[in-house]
Amino acid sequence: KAGVTQTPRYLIKTRGQQVTLSCSPISGHRSVSWYQQTPGQGLQFLFEYFSETQRNKGNFPGRFSGRQFSNSRSEMNVSTLELGDSALYLCASSPTRSNYEQYFGPGTRLTVT
Amino acid sequence: QKEVEQDPGPLSVPEGAIVSLNCTYSNSAFQYFMWYRQYSRKGPELLMYTYSSGNKEDGRFTAQVDKSSKYISLFIRDSQPSDSATYLCAMSLQGGSEKLVFGKGTKLTVNP
Repeated sequence: KAGVTQTPRYLIKTRGQQVTLSCSPISGHRSVSWYQQTPGQGLQFLFEYFSETQRNKGNFPGRFSGRQFSNSRSEMNVSTLELGDSALYLCASSPTRSNYEQYFGPGTRLTVT
Repeated sequence: QKEVEQDPGPLSVPEGAIVSLNCTYSNSAFQYFMWYRQYSRKGPELLMYTYSSGNKEDGRFTAQVDKSSKYISLFIRDSQPSDSATYLCAMSLQGGSEKLVFGKGTKLTVNP
């Protein structure tokens, strides 16, 4: 089975712009979670979707949003980019409603200049 | 106090050593405990998960949970250079829709 795929892998954007990141979960997985990873804060939970519904949301500003499509693919969007948004954005999928078994993609490295 | 504390290391050991990685946590309601391995420039890889207290073994890896002390450990026996990575612990309240809370990771280097 193919793993979680994320596109693009690398992205450079300018402050104030917006960005959309894409995630394709493992086939059959209906739960998709997004995380931000930085050296200072580590892995921080952004949000989680199951069957197109957002089930949980982390403590991030409203500039961070996401959605999930009927085929379980997910996108996250960051508007009005700030320098502090530079990070590795990771997507993870889970085969069940439970999140203790998550499989991560390689991430999208976003650099904001 | 952070919910999950993990010594960032770095930890450097010779090949063949037994490695002990640890996390402490403050929320006694955590029920599921996970260990992930992350190689440089890669996403985290799930090594194993345990529910509540006790031990779980998978090959050279053993996970231990001591809920009374709010302390979890990952032991790696006969460590190999390929084990060199950052190890992240993670926890969740119920394993359902609750989010995972991660430690910041311990960087391990196994020297040949």
